[in-house]
Amino acid sequence: AQSVTQLDSHVSVSEGTPVLLRCNYSSSYSPSLFWYVQHPNKGLQLLLKYTSAATLVKGINGFEAEFKKSETSFHLTKPSAHMSDAAEYFCVVSANFGNEKLTFGTGTRLTIIP
Amino acid sequence: DVKVTQSSRYLVKRTGEKVFLECVQDMDHENMFWYRQDPGLGLRLIYFSYDVKMKEKGDIPEGYSVSREKKERFSLILESASTNQTSMYLCASSFPPGAGSYGYTFGSGTRLTVV
Repeated sequence: AQSVTQLDSHVSVSEGTPVLLRCNYSSSYSPSLFWYVQHPNKGLQLLLKYTSAATLVKGINGFEAEFKKSETSFHLTKPSAHMSDAAEYFCVVSANFGNEKLTFGTGTRLTIIP
Repeated sequence: DVKVTQSSRYLVKRTGEKVFLECVQDMDHENMFWYRQDPGLGLRLIYFSYDVKMKEKGDIPEGYSVSREKKERFSLILESASTNQTSMYLCASSFPPGAGSYGYTFGSGTRLTVV
C-alpha cells in the first residue's frame, strides 16, 4: 500500500522569497516519488522525479526536492518565488520507476504575493 | 513526443445517460489509466489496464467500467451517469513496469458535467 500526505492545502509566499511545499509518504516498498504542477486550466506537468538515484533531485524552473527516507519526506523547494509559480502542486508516489498506478496527494495551492 | 488524446475537452450529459470517454495514445504503451480529479481530493485512480482486454479496478471503480479492445485505445464508460460523477477525467499511458525509465504521459482531460 502507498499514500502521500501534503501537509498544506494552501501556501502563500511573497515574490522573491523561498518556497517550501511539504510532502510525507508511506510505502511498503522502495518508492518512486514525483512532483507535478498544474497551472489554472492547464494539464499536468512533471516537475521532477526521484527513482532511487541521487536523493537531491533537481527539476524544471528552479525547483528541487530531497528524498529523506528516515523522515519519509519529499519536500519541494525553490529559493526565490516567481509570479509564474502560482499553481497547484501534487506530490505523487508509485513503484517501479512510476510506470504503474500513481497515488496522488490532495494538492497544495501556491499563491505568490506581488 | 508521446501523445495521449482525449476525444472531448468538455461534455454535458443528463442523469441516467450512458457516457463514453475515449482515450487514444500513439506510442505503443502497454499501460493505460483513467483518473478523476476533484478539488481538494487530488487525482484518484478509477481503472487501469496493463494489456489489451485486460483491466483492473483502481481506488474508486464504482459506477464505471472500461474497455480496451486495442492497445492504443482505452475507453471509460459511465453506465448510468449521476451528478456525483461531474468531474475532470484524465487519461494516461506509460511504459511497462520495469522499463527502467519514466514514461508516464497524461492527456489534457475531459471536463464532464452531469445535469
